[in-house]
Amino acid sequence: QVQLQQSGPGLVKPSQTLSLTCGISGDSVSSNSGTWNWIRQSPSRGLEWLGRTFYRSKWYNDYELSVKGRITIDPDTSKNQFSLQLNSVTPEDTAIYFCARNTQGYGMDVWGQGTTVTVSS
Amino acid sequence: QSVLTQPPSVSGAPGQRVTISCTGSSSNIGAGFDVHWYQYLPGIAPKRLIYGNNNRPSGVPDRFSGSKSGTSASLAITGLQAEDEADYYCQSFDSRLSYYVFGTGTKVTVL
Repeated sequence: QVQLQQSGPGLVKPSQTLSLTCGISGDSVSSNSGTWNWIRQSPSRGLEWLGRTFYRSKWYNDYELSVKGRITIDPDTSKNQFSLQLNSVTPEDTAIYFCARNTQGYGMDVWGQGTTVTVSS
Repeated sequence: QSVLTQPPSVSGAPGQRVTISCTGSSSNIGAGFDVHWYQYLPGIAPKRLIYGNNNRPSGVPDRFSGSKSGTSASLAITGLQAEDEADYYCQSFDSRLSYYVFGTGTKVTVL
């Protein structure tokens, strides 16, 4: 059974960097069939896909346009996990952040437990 | 601004049937990409209800069903129950953006 375990701080100051990690058990971040995603949920914007990393003979990343330039998603094969870094945060980045695995044809089939992140001084 | 549009809210009495539409375009749903549906309760990880347009994961009641036609998809809930009160989101892939997109979300209220 595949499980995702999120970790990281729940409070970030404005202009600083939001950092979260998603640990994977039961699958590999280097899998050739899955993609590893970060998604956030806020009352004002609903569910918002932020970006993904995946391996298909080499590593790829895609990022949502509104956060591109501020976001980095990195795989860590030694720890079988992937991370999210979002720079220069503002209160608008306050949300619940989820990591999720997407399997082609099956959607986002495994989710992390979620991390509530508040951007405030 | 999502490329998949859903009605902000739908409501129905217990036992009734409600449907939620998800309208896309020729670069996502109309291009043949699968549509998936999720149920979201505040603070809890979204639950996948439908994958691949019309398939239910094990454990999802058959009261939930999905369909797709042209540039749109729909989620139907029959025999509405109080526990179905939640937010629902469609999701697909957009070839113009080259990434996944979620719908705008629909709040289902059980009267």
